[in-house]
Formats: sequence, structure tokens, C-alpha cells
Amino acid sequence: GAVVSQHPSRVICKSGTSVKIECRSLDFQATTMFWYRQFPKQSLMLMATSNEGSKATYEQGVEKDKFLINHASLTLSTLTVTSAHPEDSSFYICSASEGGPNTGELFFGEGSRLTVL
Amino acid sequence: AQSVTQLGSHVSVSEGALVLLRCNYSSSVPPYLFWYVQYPNQGLQLLLKYTSAATLVKGINGFEAEFKKSETSFHLTKPSAHMSDAAEYFCAVRQGAQKLVFGQGTRLTINP
Repeated sequence: GAVVSQHPSRVICKSGTSVKIECRSLDFQATTMFWYRQFPKQSLMLMATSNEGSKATYEQGVEKDKFLINHASLTLSTLTVTSAHPEDSSFYICSASEGGPNTGELFFGEGSRLTVL
Repeated sequence: AQSVTQLGSHVSVSEGALVLLRCNYSSSVPPYLFWYVQYPNQGLQLLLKYTSAATLVKGINGFEAEFKKSETSFHLTKPSAHMSDAAEYFCAVRQGAQKLVFGQGTRLTINP
């Protein structure tokens, strides 16, 4: 199946710094990618939909100035957590679809665990 | 809006026993339903999906799920559990184009 890769898999940063997480579709082009956040022992919550060449669409309650999303190419989306604080510590997962809107299957990255000290 | 509810946050079975993970959905339109598995510190892997074709869907690793409209259910089963099946399982429903809404997750533990 299609492969989606995230980098870094783990990152530790100091409070107040910014952290960038990359999501790449390795063998297909993805016009749309999705960013999820997962707290320990909880489900995945959709944060935003990343659209290639346009602004991301954020879910209700997600601060767009806090979580900057850029989808500059058909194979790369980035999530930047700005001025990170300990409460931003979480597991961030991206996903992408290799097909059109109705294929229904999303491929997920391996996830990136962010720890803010 | 579509949603799914997973009954039981933790299920424990013996190796070789039947695995049954429950998922009920709520949808105003014919749903697209999915089961994903997540191993520790990893992303999600698709087990199977229902897209309005056959109601009994077979997936990877011996798992299958049956779509029952009358019960609004999409329970995941496996006849014989293996130690490697221990993981977190998520039921999900598609909301709009490609957007997925996940259930709370069920942690499956396999006892030797």
C-alpha cells in the first residue's frame, strides 16, 4: 500500500520554542493531508485538513496561529507547533489519501511524539 | 454528523479464543466504516473497510467485520486470537470527503 512518512518520530523541546513536523507521501501525490492529535490512551482528534496550495482548514477549537500548517507540494505537509508549552505534548499523526475524494482509505504516518519540557 | 462508539475500552481474551470488538455508528447517510489497528508508538494501519458493498468484510491478519444496518453496528471479530494481536483498535466513520471520525479505541490484551 501507499506509504506516508513522518519526521521526526520523537522530539523534545524547551517551552517557548517552535517545532516543525514533516509528513511526506513517499510514493503518491496527496492533494489533501490530515493532521491528528492523540493524547495518551485516547483517540485521535482531527486538528486540521491540509490542502496543497491553499490554506489549511482547522477544526473547531484548534488555534491556527498555534499550529501552523503548510502544504507546499503534493508530497509534503508540515505542522509547526509555535511557542510550544507542556500542554502541547502529544502524539501527532498525519494521514493522506492516494486517491480521489471517494476512495475512502487513508494512509497514516508513523506519528511524531512531542514532549515539551 | 457521523459518529462511532466503541463499547469497552479494554478487552482481554486468551490466546486462541474469539476476539470481538464492538462498534456502533450513527450516520444520517450510508456510512463508510473502518477498523484500524495501532501498535505502541506507531501510526494506524487499516484492517478493513466497509464501503456499501458486501456486508461481511474480510481484512488483514484474519480479522473480519459485519455491517448490520438494523443494529447500526460494525463489530470486529477474529476466530482465534494470537499474541501479536495485542494492540489498540479504532473504529472510524468517514465524515465528508476523506475526513475520519474515530471511536474512543479499544485496547486488546491477549493472555497466554
